Order: sequence, then structure tokens, then C-alpha cells
Amino acid sequence: GNSVTQMEGPVTLSEEAFLTINCTYTATGYPSLFWYVQYPGEGLQLLLKATKADDKGSNKGFEATYRKETTSFHLEKGSVQVSDSAVYFCALSVAGNTPLVFGKGTRLSVIA
Amino acid sequence: DAGVIQSPRHEVTEMGQEVTLRCKPISGHNSLFWYRQTMMRGLELLIYFNNNVPIDDSGMPEDRFSAKMPNASFSTLKIQPSEPRDSAVYFCASSLTGGRGNEQFFGPGTRLTVL
Repeated sequence: GNSVTQMEGPVTLSEEAFLTINCTYTATGYPSLFWYVQYPGEGLQLLLKATKADDKGSNKGFEATYRKETTSFHLEKGSVQVSDSAVYFCALSVAGNTPLVFGKGTRLSVIA
Repeated sequence: DAGVIQSPRHEVTEMGQEVTLRCKPISGHNSLFWYRQTMMRGLELLIYFNNNVPIDDSGMPEDRFSAKMPNASFSTLKIQPSEPRDSAVYFCASSLTGGRGNEQFFGPGTRLTVL
């Protein structure tokens, strides 16, 4: 079946530290890959996505590269800010009208 | 674009009462999803619709839960009777088939507390 595994949190970093949140997937077919972010008290919102191998999605200083050979889509940011504190979800989609398959989420706390 | 609209944003009710959650998807979207989020179980897909037709309701926890989509612009999730273990945040999301890699747009959620 289709599944997403992401590193368990919580992750606590100091401001300006480097962030990596690992995500690996298992999929039948050729998935599109996503990172969603959920700020406190809000719904999930798309952070970035990639639809084919070697694509790099990027937004707000975050980036992730679709690695087919390692079935991974790790999220990175060079210098985190307090405002990046949120829960981050990795997800995949294998067909146009089926639900996304989400990982369990990783809570990030950035301290000043 | 107003985004996905959910109401109410907060609901507090007593065990045994009926609860109805409402969702208005983004205009033009043809898929709608209901999720439940709790600390213990994370984000769970309850049911989804394509073109107003329920496709997969295997995530609906019990017969106490039901969902309808009478038209393309409105959906409800009903719990009858409600129980304390139903306390959670319920999210509605919508998407356009084939659009932008199947991105789903989430509403702000309804926080349900059953006493």
C-alpha cells in the first residue's frame, strides 16, 4: 500500500539553526509529494510540493527534493525562525481524485 | 477566494446530543474530504466525496457518524449520539481533480468538545 513515514518529534531548535525533517514514502505508482504546515489553532496549508523525480519544491526558505532512488522527500531550512514553530506533515498522492496519504506529523518548536 | 469554510468553529455539547458540522468547499472543486485530528491518533481521514458521491467511508468510526453532500457547495458531518471520545478537531478539505498535483485545501477546522 501507500504510506509515509516521517521523523517523530518534537524537534526543538534555537533560532537560526538548520532544520531537517526526514520523510520517506512507499507508493504503488508514481506519486506527487507534499509538505503541509499547521500553525497553532489553524488548518493545514500547503508549504511546498514536487510532482516528479529530482524536482525541488521551495517556499518561505523551506525546500525539499523528490528523491526517487531513496524514496525520500526531506524538508530543510537553513535558518529557522520562531515563527516557523508548527507541525509539519509529509504527504503523497498517487492519483488525481484520491485522498492524500499523510505522515503522522512532526512538531517543531523554535526558541529565541 | 474565500477558501474552505467550516462552521461552527467551536462546539461544546453534552454526551448524547446530536452534533452537525458544516463545510463549504472552494467553488469549482469536485472532491471533498473530512478529517479528524486528535493528539492520540493524529490526522485521520473519515470520508471523501467525488462529484458529491461518497467514495470511501471506511474511516468513519461508527454508525453514529454520517456525512452527506447534497450539492457541490455544501457538506455535513453528523454525530448522533455524541460521546466524549468524539472530542477532536474536525477538518474539511477540498481539491480539484487533476489540478496542481492534487493539492488539498483545508478549512480552519471545528473544535468539538463533548462533555
